[in-house]
Amino acid sequence: ILNVEQSPQSLHVQEGDSTNFTCSFPSSNFYALHWYRWETAKSPEALFVMTLNGDEKKKGRISATLNTKEGYSYLYIKGSQPEDSATYLCALGGDDKIIFGKGTRLHILP
Amino acid sequence: NAGVTQTPKFQVLKTGQSMTLQCAQDMNHNSMYWYRQDPGMGLRLIYYSASEGTTDKGEVPNGYNVSRLNKREFSLRLESAAPSQTSVYFCASRRDFYQETQYFGPGTRLLVL
Repeated sequence: ILNVEQSPQSLHVQEGDSTNFTCSFPSSNFYALHWYRWETAKSPEALFVMTLNGDEKKKGRISATLNTKEGYSYLYIKGSQPEDSATYLCALGGDDKIIFGKGTRLHILP
Repeated sequence: NAGVTQTPKFQVLKTGQSMTLQCAQDMNHNSMYWYRQDPGMGLRLIYYSASEGTTDKGEVPNGYNVSRLNKREFSLRLESAAPSQTSVYFCASRRDFYQETQYFGPGTRLLVL
């Protein structure tokens, strides 16, 4: 079973500060790396899908990078806002299924 | 488009009772998935169906069965519910291929007493 690790598990960030967190995965047989945003009492929503080593994606204040050779991806949030409070999931996409990490729970402090 | 829909939204069962969770998607997606969400465990894959007519076990299949009724519908059955199956269940679908995004339903909250 593929193992997708995310760190830290939980993070408290002051509003206005920037932050980042990590997703680690096996670098062999890589297909795709997904990032999802999951707000409490809602369903996960897709942020990015990355497939190539060195990929960088950006959506507003959120961006992500991918290193498939060493098996990690970073998610960055610039100038955190209260609406950024959520759990951020990364997932390894295979040819038939997606395996999720346990997520990083981000709390934005006013 | 409704996207991915799930019924019921909430259910309480007694130990040993059976029930079926329903999932449907109207996006013409080939693949469908059932996950459970437990505190501190993230999303764990129970079963999936890569295409109509096929189903496969995920990480935590014990105590569950599934049916891919047609391309739109993928149901999850608990034959004899146990308290350990208290969880939030999410259904998801995606069109095809590893780079495609999954779309999630709103979830079913199940409590087994």
